[in-house]
Amino acid sequence: DTEVTQTPKHLVMGMTNKKSLKCEQHMGHRAMYWYKQKAKKPPELMFVYSYEKLSINESVPSRFSPECPNSSLLNLHLHALQPEDSALYLCASSQDRGVVETQYFGPGTRLLVL
Amino acid sequence: GENVEQHPSTLSVQEGDSAVIKCTYSDSASNYFPWYKQELGKRPQLIIDIRSNVGEKKDQRIAVTLNKTAKHFSLHITETQPEDSAVYFCAARPPGSQGNLIFGKGTKLSVKP
Repeated sequence: DTEVTQTPKHLVMGMTNKKSLKCEQHMGHRAMYWYKQKAKKPPELMFVYSYEKLSINESVPSRFSPECPNSSLLNLHLHALQPEDSALYLCASSQDRGVVETQYFGPGTRLLVL
Repeated sequence: GENVEQHPSTLSVQEGDSAVIKCTYSDSASNYFPWYKQELGKRPQLIIDIRSNVGEKKDQRIAVTLNKTAKHFSLHITETQPEDSAVYFCAARPPGSQGNLIFGKGTKLSVKP
C-alpha cells in the first residue's frame, strides 16, 4: 500500500460541532503531518508527529487538537471552529524526518464551517 | 528563517512547448528541494525532487536543476501536454527543520491544445 488515505472527503460543520478528521498510512512511515490549505495558496504546516510524539505545533489554535493513536493513524479533532477555518486539510507522511524526508500527501478533507 | 520565492505565478504555454518555473531560496544550508503538482481538487503530488549534492535530475519530460551558488532551482517540463495543466509548488527543506518544508506560493500552468 503506497497511499495516504483520509476520511471524510467532505465535511460541513457548525461552529458548535465537534468532529474528527482521520488519516491512515501503511507505508511504515514514522513521521506524519497535518497541513491546512486555502484556495490558491500553498499547504501551511499545522502539526508534525514523529514516532507517534508531537514534535511541532505551529502555533495552531487549541480548537484544533491532533492525536496519533499509533504509527499508522493520525487524527485531527475539531471543536468550536470558525468560518475562516474552512479549508482543505491535508495529511502527509514521510519515512522519517531526517534522511528520507519525502512527504506524500493524502487526498485531503474539504471542510466547510458554517 | 527560510523563504522561498516562486515565479511566475501564472504561465500559459501552447501544447508541445516547454515550460520553466523558477524558485529561489534564502537559506544556503537548505538541502532538499521537492516539486509538487496539484490538479484542481486533488492532492499535491510529488513529481520530482533533488538534493543539494546533485545539480540536475531528469524523469522523462520533467527535469529539475539546482544552482547552489545562486540559491535557485528550476522545474523544466518539455513537450507539454494539456494534462500538465495544474498548480506547481516548489519547496525547500532548511537544516534543523527536521523534515519541515517551506513552500513557494505556486505557479498555475495552463497548457493550451
